[in-house]
Amino acid sequence: GQNIDQPTEMTATEGAIVQINCTYQTSGFNGLFWYQQHAGEAPTFLSYNVLDGLEEKGRFSSFLSRSKGYSYLLLKELQMKDSASYLCAVTDSWGKFQFGAGTQVVVTP
Amino acid sequence: GAVVSQHPSWVICKSGTSVKIECRSLDFQATTMFWYRQFPKQSLMLMATSNEGSKATYEQGVEKDKFLINHASLTLSTLTVTSAHPEDSSFYICSAKTGPQGQPQHFGDGTRLSIL
Repeated sequence: GQNIDQPTEMTATEGAIVQINCTYQTSGFNGLFWYQQHAGEAPTFLSYNVLDGLEEKGRFSSFLSRSKGYSYLLLKELQMKDSASYLCAVTDSWGKFQFGAGTQVVVTP
Repeated sequence: GAVVSQHPSWVICKSGTSVKIECRSLDFQATTMFWYRQFPKQSLMLMATSNEGSKATYEQGVEKDKFLINHASLTLSTLTVTSAHPEDSSFYICSAKTGPQGQPQHFGDGTRLSIL
């Protein structure tokens, strides 16, 4: 099975940096995804990590350490529109996804 | 990029009604589609995995006779909530992915189902 833990909520000010941590336990790990979900909308894909290291995509970066079962999503230069829930999802060798409960990021002026 | 279309986006109906939700991959062939349910402020809960041309695989606790899934083609999967009751009210989201490992799931816009 898979257990995924991420903080429930984080608050940061506009222009700041926020790091959302995700720890997981899984059998047959085959990649970790981060999604953004605004209230009442479907999730949108942000990033994918399967090898150790940092993946940078504009203001968003994602890091993975397979040996530690740990990932983080880094949001830089926060904007008000970044207020959303961020979901960590782990996929196994059968292609099955398991989502974390999500971290609600609140960006304040 | 990959686009998944889900219809309808909002359904309000009486208790006992059956409701069908469609999920289409518009610009790619989806070998696998997934159906999720999400209650307010909770995470996505996988209901079932749907593979084209075969029976869906349901998660533990999901009634297959109540949530009928059909994946008749590589671009269409349907979820039918049979004899819906108020406790079935939720946000239902489908997603689709191509075969290769490591490809993200692409989500439809979701269907908000309200049973009166």
